[in-house]
Amino acid sequence: AQTVTQSQPEMSVQEAETVTLSCTYDTSESNYYLFWYKQPPSRQMILVIRQEAYKQQNATENRFSVNFQKAAKSFSLKISDSQLGDTAMYFCAFMKLGSSNTGKLIFGQGTTLQVKP
Amino acid sequence: DARVTQTPRHKVTEMGQEVTMRCQPILGHNTVFWYRQTMMQGLELLAYFRNRAPLDDSGMPKDRFSAEMPDATLATLKIQPSEPRDSAVYFCASVWGQGRTEAFFGQGTRLTVV
Repeated sequence: AQTVTQSQPEMSVQEAETVTLSCTYDTSESNYYLFWYKQPPSRQMILVIRQEAYKQQNATENRFSVNFQKAAKSFSLKISDSQLGDTAMYFCAFMKLGSSNTGKLIFGQGTTLQVKP
Repeated sequence: DARVTQTPRHKVTEMGQEVTMRCQPILGHNTVFWYRQTMMQGLELLAYFRNRAPLDDSGMPKDRFSAEMPDATLATLKIQPSEPRDSAVYFCASVWGQGRTEAFFGQGTRLTVV
């Protein structure tokens, strides 16, 4: 069975600074996807970034980037130039590859990020 | 603006009552998921459907929970009878199953059972 662990329940960062959220996972699969989802106070789950395990290059989306270490089973999220709107809970999620698994996500416990002015 | 729509957004009910939550997936998405979010357990998968057929409901307490897709535009999650431990946020998500990976989530139904 796959598990996802986020060891930082809460973090804070000053506006305009950089913060890194940690995530580790456990799987025996070789092909899979990893995601970071953002959940602001509105409760809406928003996809921030995704990484295909077969790609060595780390994914980036504007101010968001990941550090994917497949051998170490680590998948951290870096937020650069933090903005007040980044305040939210962030979830790391794992998905096995294969059409029968599309959308079937295993989530970590979440990290609450507060961006301070 | 395509989105997953869940109703109601909030529901307060008394223990023992029946609760029905509804989800309208994004048009064309053929896979629908129900997730539950609690402080203790985090986000956990309850059940999911592909082309309206149930694929996996192993995460759902069978004695009181039931999930159905009467048609391609409606998924329902029913709890009967409800218990205080069912208090949680219930999310519906849909995916276009042909090679896409992003699950689109609704805004959730916050259920409180008193």
